[in-house]
Amino acid sequence: SQKIEQNSEALNIQEGKTATLTCNYTNYSPAYLQWYRQDPGRGPVFLLLIRENEKEKRKERLKVTFDTTLKQSLFHITASQPADSATYLCAPTADRGSTLGRLYFGRGTQLTVWP
Amino acid sequence: NAGVTQTPKFQVLKTGQSMTLQCAQDMNHEYMSWYRQDPGMGLRLIHYSVGAGITDQGEVPNGYNVSRSTTEDFPLRLLSAAPSQTSVYFCASSYSNRGPFNEQFFGPGTRLTVL
Repeated sequence: SQKIEQNSEALNIQEGKTATLTCNYTNYSPAYLQWYRQDPGRGPVFLLLIRENEKEKRKERLKVTFDTTLKQSLFHITASQPADSATYLCAPTADRGSTLGRLYFGRGTQLTVWP
Repeated sequence: NAGVTQTPKFQVLKTGQSMTLQCAQDMNHEYMSWYRQDPGMGLRLIHYSVGAGITDQGEVPNGYNVSRSTTEDFPLRLLSAAPSQTSVYFCASSYSNRGPFNEQFFGPGTRLTVL
């Protein structure tokens, strides 16, 4: 069955530094990978989608990479701010040869940015 | 647009009781799904629907029923509540279930406790 692992449950960094979150997956080959942000007591919010043929994608201070050989995605937040503190979820999409792009979510990494 | 709405926000049930969690979206999305989120387990798919009248099981469907009579509504029914169903439930919708179009819009969640 599909397995998704996100690095350490918690990551603490100082404001201004770059946060790097890792998402590894096994036993399937997603054609797309999504990242979400979840704040306490709220539903996840979509951040970025990257396709398998896109090595890197950027949105403001966010950067995502997708390495299908390593079966890994890295999520970077540059110049991090306390407001970036949240849980970040990765969701590789199983869409290869299927009519159903079902999402499987990792458990998430809780990021804390301290001043 | 209200987006995805869920009611109730909180619910306490006794073992054996039944109830329906409501979910509605006003974005004319064809794909809707229900997840449960438990500490340390991440988001797990319960049931999903690719359009009115079409539903299917996700990873953890036992003890839950769904129906989709309209595009807007996707209620989740607990047939006979058990303590193992204590969780936070999220409803989500997307324009499509295909690849780059299945960015998920999540509701605010329902926190359910079964005693």
